[in-house]
Amino acid sequence: KQEVTQIPAALSVPEGENLVLNCSFTDSAIYNLQWFRQDPGKGLTSLLLIQSSQREQTSGRLNASLDKSSGRSTLYIAASQPGDSATYLCAVEETSGSRLTFGEGTQLTVNP
Amino acid sequence: GAGVSQSPSNKVTEKGKDVELRCDPISGHTALYWYRQSLGQGLEFLIYFQGNSAPDKSGLPSDRFSAERTGGSVSTLTIQRTQQEDSAVYLCASSLGPWAVAYEQYFGPGTRLTVT
Repeated sequence: KQEVTQIPAALSVPEGENLVLNCSFTDSAIYNLQWFRQDPGKGLTSLLLIQSSQREQTSGRLNASLDKSSGRSTLYIAASQPGDSATYLCAVEETSGSRLTFGEGTQLTVNP
Repeated sequence: GAGVSQSPSNKVTEKGKDVELRCDPISGHTALYWYRQSLGQGLEFLIYFQGNSAPDKSGLPSDRFSAERTGGSVSTLTIQRTQQEDSAVYLCASSLGPWAVAYEQYFGPGTRLTVT
């Protein structure tokens, strides 16, 4: 059974700092990995999707990497801003069109 | 364009009552998913539709839970004889479908269900 772990569970940083969120998964036979953001009381917003054949994806200040063989992904946030404060979730999809298995999330607070 | 919509946004019900939760996926998305997010728990998968068929319903926690999808569009999740442990946020997502090269799952805002 696939298990997804995110470290740290919570992170508090000053504005402007670069930071890395970690995600690991136990079964490396994945189809893709997706990073989401969840604001309190809201649904999920998709940030980046990395296909299993890719190593990384970038969108603005966000960069996500994937090392499928070791079962790891990182989300790098450059020059963090208070508006980045949210819970960040990673999820893996094991076969095309199937369910997502989520980690518990990292709660990020960026202090002005 | 319009995203995934869900209704109601909040639902409070008494223990033992039945509830129906609705999801309108993004137009053209053939795949539809239901997930549940409970306090202190992660997001857990409930059921997946491809068109009107449900090839994976293995996440439904009990036979009190059922879901259907009609016209390859709207889906309804029904919980019969609700229990307090059913209290959670129910999230719906849709995607283009398994034949797309890479497709993201787009989530709705969720329905917060409280069973008293």
